[in-house]
Parts: sequence; structure tokens; C-alpha cells
Amino acid sequence: KQEVTQIPAALSVPEGENLVLNCSFTDSAIYNLQWFRQDPGKGLTSLLLIQSSQREQTSGRLNASLDKSSGRSTLYIAASQPGDSATYLCAVTSGTYKYIFGTGTRLKVLA
Amino acid sequence: EAQVTQNPRYLITVTGKKLTVTCSQNMNHEYMSWYRQDPGLGLRQIYYSMNVEVTDKGDVPEGYKVSRKEKRNFPLILESPSPNQTSLYFCATLGGDRGYFGPGTRLTVT
Repeated sequence: KQEVTQIPAALSVPEGENLVLNCSFTDSAIYNLQWFRQDPGKGLTSLLLIQSSQREQTSGRLNASLDKSSGRSTLYIAASQPGDSATYLCAVTSGTYKYIFGTGTRLKVLA
Repeated sequence: EAQVTQNPRYLITVTGKKLTVTCSQNMNHEYMSWYRQDPGLGLRQIYYSMNVEVTDKGDVPEGYKVSRKEKRNFPLILESPSPNQTSLYFCATLGGDRGYFGPGTRLTVT
């Protein structure tokens, strides 16, 4: 049974720092991995999608990597800003198109 | 604009009173699903639908029903809500391998 773990559960950093969020999964037979952002009281916003054949994806200050063989993904946020404060979720999908989510990392960027 | 809408956004109800949470998408996606989010448990899939009239159970289907009579709509039905169904509910679609989530419905059952 696929399990997704995110470490740390919470993170507080000063503005301007580069940071890394970690995601690990137990079954390497994934179709893709997606990083989401969740703001309080709002839905999930897709940040980056990595297909199983890809190693990384970049969007602006965000870079996500995928090492399928070791069951790991990282989300790198460069030059963090207070507006980056949110909960970040990673999710993997298999051929059934079901998302298996981690429990998230709650990020707070201090001004 | 690609959108998944849910209604209502907030609902407080009593045990046993049937309710429906609506979900609608404007992307013509075939795949739709419902998740619930609980502290410490993350998001878990309730039901999903691969197309009109095709639905199947997810990981936590007990106490829920769904229907898919039209491609754009996928309502979640709680026939007899109980307090353990108090949660934050998300509707989602999948298109081009990317997931799109609604804004969530916060349900409280007393």
C-alpha cells in the first residue's frame, strides 16, 4: 500500500532563505508526482507536476525533483517570501489516477 | 478560466439530516473525484468517476453516495450524516495528468 510522508511537518524561516521540503513514498511504481499549495480556507493549487519519466520541473522560484528509485521528491523554494506561507502537499498517482497525499508541510515565512 | 466549484462552502447540520454537496467543472474532464481532509490523516479519496454513469469507491466510501449523470457535475450525497463525517471536503478533476481542486466545503455534523 502506497504511503506518502512529508518532512518536516512545519517549518518557519526568515524571508529570503532558500528552503527544501521533502516528500517520500513507499512504492516506486508511480505515474506522476504533483506538488500542491493549500492556503487556509482555500482549495489546493497545483504548483508542479513531474511525470514518472522526468527528474525535475521548474516554475519561477520553485524547483521540484523526483528520484523514483529511492522514492523521494524535494520541492526547492528560492528566496522565500511571506507570500509563500502556506501548507505544501505532495501527492503521487498510480494507474488508477487516485492521488495519495502526504500530510503536508506547513510553511511560515517571516518578514 | 479552468474552474471547479463546490457548494455550499460551509455547512453545519445535525445528525441524520440528508445533505448534498454539489461539484461542477468547466473543463470537460472525464475524471472527477471527492476527497476528505482530516487533521493528521491528510486527504483521502471517497469516490471517483471515470465518466458519466461510471463511479467507484475510493478509500473511505462508507456513509457517502455519488452520482454522475452529466459530465460536468459530480454531487456528493450524505444520506444520514454522522459526527464522524465532520471534515473538509474537496472535489477534484484530472486533465492532462494535472489535478484541479475545488475550494473545499467545510462540513460540521452535530
